[in-house]
Amino acid sequence: DVKVTQSSRYLVKRTGEKVFLECVQDMDHENMFWYRQDPGLGLRLIYFSYDVKMKEKGDIPEGYSVSREKKERFSLILESASTNQTSMYLCASSPPPRGMENIQYFGAGTRLSVL
Amino acid sequence: SQKIEQNSEALNIQEGKTATLTCNYTNYSPAYLQWYRQDPGRGPVFLLLIRENEKEKRKERLKVTFDTTLKQSLFHITASQPADSATYLCALVGGGSYIPTFGRGTSLIVHP
Repeated sequence: DVKVTQSSRYLVKRTGEKVFLECVQDMDHENMFWYRQDPGLGLRLIYFSYDVKMKEKGDIPEGYSVSREKKERFSLILESASTNQTSMYLCASSPPPRGMENIQYFGAGTRLSVL
Repeated sequence: SQKIEQNSEALNIQEGKTATLTCNYTNYSPAYLQWYRQDPGRGPVFLLLIRENEKEKRKERLKVTFDTTLKQSLFHITASQPADSATYLCALVGGGSYIPTFGRGTSLIVHP
């Protein structure tokens, strides 16, 4: 079974802090993704990566950056946390698109509160 | 712009009945449509995928249909159980991108 592990289930940070969310997958997947999920807004893509050191902006990249130094690890960085970044953050991985199927395997999520 | 619509109101049904959830889309030509289940406070879990040239797909008590003319997918759970209570998300892949676009999900509540 694919396992996607997010480093924290719950996180409380202060406004202005630099926040690191870590994600590790154990299936040698090329693609990794970061989403945030808010009530009424659904899942929104922040950044994704299709290879080591490669990154692409998603729909809402502002205020975030990412790092992928190793294939199995994809980090989301909030440079200066703000209260509007309070949300559930979900990491996902997927194998190379075999005919574009791109099935997503998600971690359990990190619920981040910025005070 | 591309739009995916899932019923925002929760679907309440009695145990043993068939639950039917709807995913409608506009301004989109998906190659694939995926369904995921999400439990409270957890990440979504992949359930089924259907291709644009397939009308129907089944897996145990689950059935998905895909009508590209109506721009709609229906997700059925037969003989529903309280353990099926969760939020169900549809996601579309296509339009030149391999990144899925997710609907907002519909909550299903199965009453014993």
